[in-house]
Amino acid sequence: DAKTTQPPSMDCAEGRAANLPCNHSTISGNEYVYWYRQIHSQGPQYIIHGLKNNETNEMASLIITEDRKSSTLILPHATLRDTAVYYCIVRVAGNDMRFGAGTRLTVKP
Amino acid sequence: GAVVSQHPSWVICKSGTSVKIECRSLDFQATTMFWYRQFPKQSLMLMATSNEGSKATYEQGVEKDKFLINHASLTLSTLTVTSAHPEDSSFYICSARAGDNEKLFFGSGTQLSVL
Repeated sequence: DAKTTQPPSMDCAEGRAANLPCNHSTISGNEYVYWYRQIHSQGPQYIIHGLKNNETNEMASLIITEDRKSSTLILPHATLRDTAVYYCIVRVAGNDMRFGAGTRLTVKP
Repeated sequence: GAVVSQHPSWVICKSGTSVKIECRSLDFQATTMFWYRQFPKQSLMLMATSNEGSKATYEQGVEKDKFLINHASLTLSTLTVTSAHPEDSSFYICSARAGDNEKLFFGSGTQLSVL
């Protein structure tokens, strides 16, 4: 599976949009982009995933560039409970899921 | 969304004893389950992959005789840490998926402390 690069940490003001970038320049055509987050001392929580089209659900939006070499997870109105480590993972359907270092997002009042 | 239940949430044991951790998919049949380990301030590390009814596939460096995995049914997988030592103290997390194209759902994790 393609490797991903994420900033180690980011801050966001409560109520504002949090935009978390992810680079996956070696992604292949059959690899999906997944986003999970892990709140301290809990198991990872699924957020969203996509192949090439932008996706939106009740938690977030996923914007994938046309060349698919990068993506952005958008939390439209961040709350203090969104403070977590966010993982961007690129994976072929059916393969296992391997985690990188992720981005530690801190939402501040 | 699908629910994966993991028990116990935390366990403290003496060095040399064995500890069993259970992972159950509550509302779907999990053809494949995964076990991860996470040390403080580090990311999740995949330990092994198990498919129902077959032997688990372990990642390089993970001792299969120490970390026994059983996936006897489509809703239950267990990880047994045998002869635990303090260096086995870690956060263990399971995950499950229903099929190849399905996303993974994770349990809440088990904090193991070996004294």
